[in-house]
Amino acid sequence: GENVEQHPSTLSVQEGDSAVIKCTYSDSASNYFPWYKQELGKRPQLIIDIRSNVGEKKDQRIAVTLNKTAKHFSLHITETQPEDSAVYFCAATSNFGNEKLTFGTGTRLTIIP
Amino acid sequence: SQTIHQWPATLVQPVGSPLSLECTVEGTSNPNLYWYRQAAGRGLQLLFYSVGIGQISSEVPQNLSASRPQDRQFILSSKKLLLSDSGFYLCAWMGGWVAGGNEQFFGPGTRLTVL
Repeated sequence: GENVEQHPSTLSVQEGDSAVIKCTYSDSASNYFPWYKQELGKRPQLIIDIRSNVGEKKDQRIAVTLNKTAKHFSLHITETQPEDSAVYFCAATSNFGNEKLTFGTGTRLTIIP
Repeated sequence: SQTIHQWPATLVQPVGSPLSLECTVEGTSNPNLYWYRQAAGRGLQLLFYSVGIGQISSEVPQNLSASRPQDRQFILSSKKLLLSDSGFYLCAWMGGWVAGGNEQFFGPGTRLTVL
């Protein structure tokens, strides 16, 4: 089955700087890679995703890159703000008879004012 | 648009008592449904998922069970709660597959404390 590793487990960034969270996956058949943001006490919210037919996707200050050859994908947050402080989870799955997302272990991002 | 409900929002139960958590989805049909548990400060552990009425797949053997009596209803149960069952229980849904994978959306969660 799929295995997703996520690094770092904690990350502190000065407000205004960029943050990068990296994930690697094991199953070469995986073709869908979402990122979730979970604020304290709340549900995980999908913030961005990428499919295997593209290498990069941007949405305002958030971007995700995918390297299928190396089997890794990354979340990039630019011009960080205090409201970016949260736990971020990556995930991977394939649509070949597989209904499950495999999640990474999460990264606690703290933005220092 | 689709919405997902969970209740209760919080629950405090004694060890050995039964449990029933409910999840319902509106605005879609034949969704995949999922139960996750999240211990304090930890990641997401998939407990059960269902691709249709009466179809349940178990990911982790334990004292919990799941049922799907209706298309958009998913229930998590236990006959006797353990202290280790404490956590944040999240229901999620996923629509039918589209090319390249599909999004999974979470409900608001139930915070369970077993004393």
